[in-house]
Amino acid sequence: DTGVSQDPRHKITKRGQNVTFRCDPISEHNRLYWYRQTLGQGPEFLTYFQNEAQLEKSRLLSDRFSAERPKGSFSTLEIQRTEQGDSAMYLCASSFLGAGGPYNEQFFGPGTRLTVL
Amino acid sequence: GENVEQHPSTLSVQEGDSAVIKCTYSDSASNYFPWYKQELGKGPQLIIDIRSNVGEKKDQRIAVTLNKTAKHFSLHITETQPEDSAVYFCAAPKSGYSTLTFGKGTMLLVSP
Repeated sequence: DTGVSQDPRHKITKRGQNVTFRCDPISEHNRLYWYRQTLGQGPEFLTYFQNEAQLEKSRLLSDRFSAERPKGSFSTLEIQRTEQGDSAMYLCASSFLGAGGPYNEQFFGPGTRLTVL
Repeated sequence: GENVEQHPSTLSVQEGDSAVIKCTYSDSASNYFPWYKQELGKGPQLIIDIRSNVGEKKDQRIAVTLNKTAKHFSLHITETQPEDSAVYFCAAPKSGYSTLTFGKGTMLLVSP
């Protein structure tokens, strides 16, 4: 399967703990996005990378959140000192920026569901 | 930034009927409008998109229409089937950025 994969699919943690999620994009895709989705809402943009460069961060991304894409392939999203309000589905998507411009199809992974107790 | 409003929030139809979901956006510079389908426990899947240089696009039972003057676009599903039941999201790009702002979603239920 050459789709976007995310690991783990589910994570339960206690308030105050740190968690890290991984995303493996489609191999030839140079853009990688992180979104957060809460129940009954659409995905909300957190941050995105073009190759290894982090080009944009949402105001939603507090200083407890950090994302990396060190070699321009997989990415990790870490949340430090988790809070109950961090409970959500964390979605990763990837796309290819080419001659057609910035708006190319974003392929989403299955998400990581985080529950903070 | 971009503001995307989506209606209705829920939609129930009988199998074989048509379904229409509408979205409005605020940024007149937006020029790309995708629609995603999300099934329970899965990530969103792109089902159709439209760029601002056309007013309508069709793919089998699915079509999207765009009215740039009124700043709204709609998803049309004809001959609905139970497997069309899912949550549908519209989206539009933030002005000057490559990221998407999503609507709040429409839960479509198709009854046999």
